[in-house]
Amino acid sequence: SQKIEQNSEALNIQEGKTATLTCNYTNYSPAYLQWYRQDPGRGPVFLLLIRENEKEKRKERLKVTFDTTLKQSLFHITASQPADSATYLCALSSGNTGKLIFGQGTTLQVKP
Amino acid sequence: EPEVTQTPSHQVTQMGQEVILRCVPISNHLYFYWYRQILGQKVEFLVSFYNNEISEKSEIFDDQFSVERPDGSNFTLKIRSTKLEDSAMYFCASSEAQGVPYEQYFGPGTRLTVT
Repeated sequence: SQKIEQNSEALNIQEGKTATLTCNYTNYSPAYLQWYRQDPGRGPVFLLLIRENEKEKRKERLKVTFDTTLKQSLFHITASQPADSATYLCALSSGNTGKLIFGQGTTLQVKP
Repeated sequence: EPEVTQTPSHQVTQMGQEVILRCVPISNHLYFYWYRQILGQKVEFLVSFYNNEISEKSEIFDDQFSVERPDGSNFTLKIRSTKLEDSAMYFCASSEAQGVPYEQYFGPGTRLTVT
């Protein structure tokens, strides 16, 4: 069955450092991969989208890579700030119905 | 900035009762979705909706669930006879177009508690 795995352990880093979050998937061939941010009690907020034929995408301090051979995406936040503390969700989509399949998320804590 | 809104923010109901969760998607969006998130678990897809029809639904979306766009602005999720296991956060989302590469905009959610 399709499986998406994100590191379930919280990631604690110091302000100013680069945070790297991992998303691995199996039994799936997504056309696109998206990253969302979710704060406690709130809905997910879109951050970045990367297509299967793209290796890397950047937006301000954010960078996403997508390796379809390894079936893995890495999400980087450079020069991290305490305001970046949240849960980050990886979501895959392959069909044309818009259905997103989410990972369980990784909680990032940036300490000042 | 346009946003998806949902009402109510919290709904408490007794098992077996019907509930209707309401959403107002972003005005120029054409594709609508419902997801749910049980406390501490991942966000799960329920249904996608376009042109007054369901595009896709998950196994969770059984005969107890239905969706409707009763007018030009609202999008509703109805649960006919709620069960304890329906307790979750329900998120509505919308997008300009279906599939990719369009991101989905999520509402703040309705917390449903079934007692």
